[in-house]
Amino acid sequence: DAGVIQSPRHEVTEMGQEVTLRCKPISGHDYLFWYRQTMMRGLELLIYFNNNVPIDDSGMPEDRFSAKMPNASFSTLKIQPSEPRDSAVYFCASSTGRNEQFFGPGTRLTVL
Amino acid sequence: DQQVKQNSPSLSVQEGRISILNCDYTNSMFDYFLWYKKYPAEGPTFLISISSIKDKNEDGRFTVFLNKSAKHLSLHIVPSQPGDSAVYFCAASAKANTGTASKLTFGTGTRLQVTL
Repeated sequence: DAGVIQSPRHEVTEMGQEVTLRCKPISGHDYLFWYRQTMMRGLELLIYFNNNVPIDDSGMPEDRFSAKMPNASFSTLKIQPSEPRDSAVYFCASSTGRNEQFFGPGTRLTVL
Repeated sequence: DQQVKQNSPSLSVQEGRISILNCDYTNSMFDYFLWYKKYPAEGPTFLISISSIKDKNEDGRFTVFLNKSAKHLSLHIVPSQPGDSAVYFCAASAKANTGTASKLTFGTGTRLQVTL
């Protein structure tokens, strides 16, 4: 199995631009999680899905952030408009419902 | 409010010696704890876990100890190897139901460096 796939690996954009991060979970995993890692706050859960349905989005920082999962093999995290404080590494993870989650390699986002 | 805390941002240990990484939590509802290891430019990978019904779990060179009364857990690596150099994250979840995913709350990580 290829593991969790994320794209792009690096994204540099200017303040005010729309950013879309993509994730392909491990086949057969029915839970998908989006995390953000910063130096100050570590790994924070933003939102997670079960069977493509958002279950908990309480970690989404603002209305500028949105996430979708149109099918079992694809999810997006969108930031519109982006701000410099959104600069971080964004991870996607998937699981079968047990506690162990499998993480992708992350997308490093820099907003200038 | 950090519910899971790793108060040591970094740790340096000599090869062959024991590495002890610590983690404290505040939420008494947490009943399952995990350690993840992270190399640069990679996502975290699962290392070892422990349920609150146990106080110790061992897997090869890695042992996790849980002290529920103190709300403290630790990861012991014996003997430490240069390849263990990475950032280690402690994570916790609350009231996991069988077959149901639980939210993981992570600490801020401890960077371990194993020197020759």
